[in-house]
Amino acid sequence: EDKVVQSPLSLVVHEGDTVTLNCSYEVTNFRSLLWYKQEKKAPTFLFMLTSSGIEKKSGRLSSILDKKELSSILNITATQTGDSAIYLCAVDMNTGFQKLVFGTGTRLLVSP
Amino acid sequence: DVKVTQSSRYLVKRTGEKVFLECVQDMDHENMFWYRQDPGLGLRLIYFSYDVKMKEKGDIPEGYSVSREKKERFSLILESASTNQTSMYLCASTQWAGANEQFFGPGTRLTVL
Repeated sequence: EDKVVQSPLSLVVHEGDTVTLNCSYEVTNFRSLLWYKQEKKAPTFLFMLTSSGIEKKSGRLSSILDKKELSSILNITATQTGDSAIYLCAVDMNTGFQKLVFGTGTRLLVSP
Repeated sequence: DVKVTQSSRYLVKRTGEKVFLECVQDMDHENMFWYRQDPGLGLRLIYFSYDVKMKEKGDIPEGYSVSREKKERFSLILESASTNQTSMYLCASTQWAGANEQFFGPGTRLTVL
C-alpha cells in the first residue's frame, strides 16, 4: 500500500527557533514530492522536489529530497508566529494525472 | 492568480439527503480533484477528472459520485448523506499532469446530522 508518513505529528516552538519537519514515503511509483502549508483554509504550495540532494529555498524555508532514504525534510529558520500551520507532504504517483498521496501533516505552533 | 472557489464554506445536512458540493476554477485547468480531510487521516482523494465528462475513482469513492459537464466546474455528489461523511471537503485543480502544483479551494466543512 502506498503511504506517506510525516513526523512529528505536532510541534510547539518559540519564535526564533529552527524547526525540521520530516516526510518519508513508500510508493510504487514516484515522480515528485510536494510540500504545502495549510493555515485555516486552502493548502498553499511551497515546494516541489524531483531530484535528490538539490535544496529548494524560499526565504526562511528550505527543503531537500533524499531518494535513497525515501524521505524529505522541510526546514524553517527563525520561526515566526505566522509560520503556525499544518504542513502537508504529498507524493505524486506518476500516474499521468498528478494523483497525490498525502501524509497526515505536521501541526506547527510557534509561540511568541 | 489562479482561483478555485467552492460553493459553501459550511454546510449542515441531514442523514439521507442528497448533497451537492460545487467547485469552480477560472484558469482553464484540465485536471480537477476532490479530497476529504479528516484529523489523523490527512487528505484522501475521492475522485478526479482529467477532462470534461471524464472521471476516475480515487482512493475512497464509495458513497460519492461526481459530475463534470463544463471544464471549469467539478461537482461532488453525496447521493444519500451519512454521518460518516461529515468532513472537510477540498477541491483542487492543476493545469496538466506534469504541472508543479495543485491549486486548492478554501474547503467546505460538511456536517451530516
